[in-house]
Amino acid sequence: KAGVTQTPRYLIKTRGQQVTLSCSPISGHRSVSWYQQTPGQGLQFLFEYFSETQRNKGNFPGRFSGRQFSNSRSEMNVSTLELGDSALYLCASSSPDASNTGELFFGEGSRLTVL
Amino acid sequence: AQRVTQPEKLLSVFKGAPVELKCNYSYSGSPELFWYVQYSRQRLQLLLRHISRESIKGFTADLNKGETSFHLKKPFAQEEDSAMYYCALSGRYNQGGKLIFGQGTELSVKP
Repeated sequence: KAGVTQTPRYLIKTRGQQVTLSCSPISGHRSVSWYQQTPGQGLQFLFEYFSETQRNKGNFPGRFSGRQFSNSRSEMNVSTLELGDSALYLCASSSPDASNTGELFFGEGSRLTVL
Repeated sequence: AQRVTQPEKLLSVFKGAPVELKCNYSYSGSPELFWYVQYSRQRLQLLLRHISRESIKGFTADLNKGETSFHLKKPFAQEEDSAMYYCALSGRYNQGGKLIFGQGTELSVKP
């Protein structure tokens, strides 16, 4: 099976711009989660989508949003970028099988730099 | 508050020495605990979870609810164990992707 694919891998934006990141989960996985990773805060949960519905949400401002499509692919959007949004954004998918609770399959991440 | 604490940023040991990576948690409810690992230039991946009670690559971890800890142990470290290790927590009945991660511990195994 192909792994979780994230695009783009690297991008540079300036303050005030917006950005859209894409994630294709492993085939058959219906849950897609997004995490922000920074040296200071570590890995922080942004939100999770399951069957096109947001199921969980972390403590991030409304500038961070996401959506999921019928094929389980997901996008996250950050509007009005701030310098502090510079981070590695990780996407993870998981199987709907209850026995796999907690096993996330991560992508390589999209590294966002805000200038 | 739900929190995972890994007190050591860096742990350096010699090959063949025992390893213990510490993890303490705070959670009101029934937690599920996990260890994730990221080897150099590889993706973050699940190493083991407490509910499985398994040993992976010689690593074990026991959930101690009294001490709210989930320390990762290996009796004899190998150079290939060098990596970033993250302790993570979720609710018992969470079938989704919301995990609370610790800050991570970098394990360096010297020859």
